[in-house]
Amino acid sequence: DSGVTQTPKHLITATGQRVTLRCSPRSGDLSVYWYQQSLDQGLQFLIQYYNGEERAKGNILERFSAQQFPDLHSELNLSSLELGDSALYFCASSVGATNTGELFFGEGSRLTVL
Amino acid sequence: TQLLEQSPQFLSIQEGENLTVYCNSSSVFSSLQWYRQEPGEGPVLLVTVVTGGEVKKLKRLTFQFGDARKDSSLHITAAQPGDTGLYLCAGPSGSARQLTFGSGTQLTVLP
Repeated sequence: DSGVTQTPKHLITATGQRVTLRCSPRSGDLSVYWYQQSLDQGLQFLIQYYNGEERAKGNILERFSAQQFPDLHSELNLSSLELGDSALYFCASSVGATNTGELFFGEGSRLTVL
Repeated sequence: TQLLEQSPQFLSIQEGENLTVYCNSSSVFSSLQWYRQEPGEGPVLLVTVVTGGEVKKLKRLTFQFGDARKDSSLHITAAQPGDTGLYLCAGPSGSARQLTFGSGTQLTVLP
């Protein structure tokens, strides 16, 4: 158990819909990262928040947005969903703002868009 | 963004065999990490290497960081079915040093 909690574990929805994925980081960790994992693209960095502020942005689509709340939990919002958005979405957390230390990953949220 | 290429992409071996998987880049990395991901779970850190030429051992797993810090290898001795999983290398990249992952090596150890 990494200490990172993600909900829901599985989600099936239709094209055009909007979903929200939730992540609670490990106790004491200030950074939250979102990654997308698909068979053809591997594990792709989407976005990082540190103590409520956006710190780094990767290959995140404009249809996707995220935020980190004062209690440090984070949400990833995916809108106008397309078939190609079907993937595993991982949240990870770390103590600091930089990525030189260990990332602790949750078990992921599997999104299926039909 | 610095890219990490891993090889082989898939590897299926018998229990007891030895194997090596590779992680290569054309860029220099300040450090590299190796993670293992099992089905239905997130990646879990195995090791971090930071010094060129560094060798780290974790039971039957031996990790090496290239002298030029552009590549790394993972050697498993006497593989066991419990070693089955997706092995990912990762390194800090980009302006914010976000952790960039290689495409992974899917290892299957048959009993």
